[in-house]
Amino acid sequence: QKEVEQNSGPLSVPEGAIASLNCTYSDRGSQSFFWYRQYSGKSPELIMFIYSNGDKEDGRFTAQLNKASQYVSLLIRDSQPSDSATYLCAVSAGNNRKLIWGLGTSLAVNP
Amino acid sequence: SQTIHQWPATLVQPVGSPLSLECTVEGTSNPNLYWYRQAAGRGLQLLFYSVGIGQISSEVPQNLSASRPQDRQFILSSKKLLLSDSGFYLCAWSLQGFSGANVLTFGAGSRLTVL
Repeated sequence: QKEVEQNSGPLSVPEGAIASLNCTYSDRGSQSFFWYRQYSGKSPELIMFIYSNGDKEDGRFTAQLNKASQYVSLLIRDSQPSDSATYLCAVSAGNNRKLIWGLGTSLAVNP
Repeated sequence: SQTIHQWPATLVQPVGSPLSLECTVEGTSNPNLYWYRQAAGRGLQLLFYSVGIGQISSEVPQNLSASRPQDRQFILSSKKLLLSDSGFYLCAWSLQGFSGANVLTFGAGSRLTVL
């Protein structure tokens, strides 16, 4: 059974701090890794994806991938109250149309 | 640019009634199309996906069905709803034949409550 695990949270950080969200996966053949943000009552929206080991930066967001340890993380710098949401990690192997989703981590950024 | 439309946004249906949710994509051709369900406290569950007109793959056996009558139209249906069908239904699309990251873009979702 292929799995993606995330700490459900809630993760609470003060405004301006760095939020660190982690995700581990079981399928060593996984090749693409995604972070989605989902506000309460809304649909998920893509933040970024990564498929090479190392870091990928996009504005205040940095995705980090370590395939040897089978984890992917998302760092949010200078966290804002508007970042308060559930963050979903998803993993796919090759060109597989089926993503394996984590249950999400709830993030609360306190003013 | 591509846009995805999904409707209705919310609906409340009695047990045993039929269901039809519709999704359309604009600005792209021959997309992969998906129906997901997100139940309270549970993760995203893939229900159906389609790589072309009339081509539907079912992921979970249940009383739901999907159809793709046109290239950019995807419909989720049920003849008789169960209480367990309640949830947040999400349509999504991705590019065909994209050998890199298979990025999904979601519609706004349809929240179904079965009473």
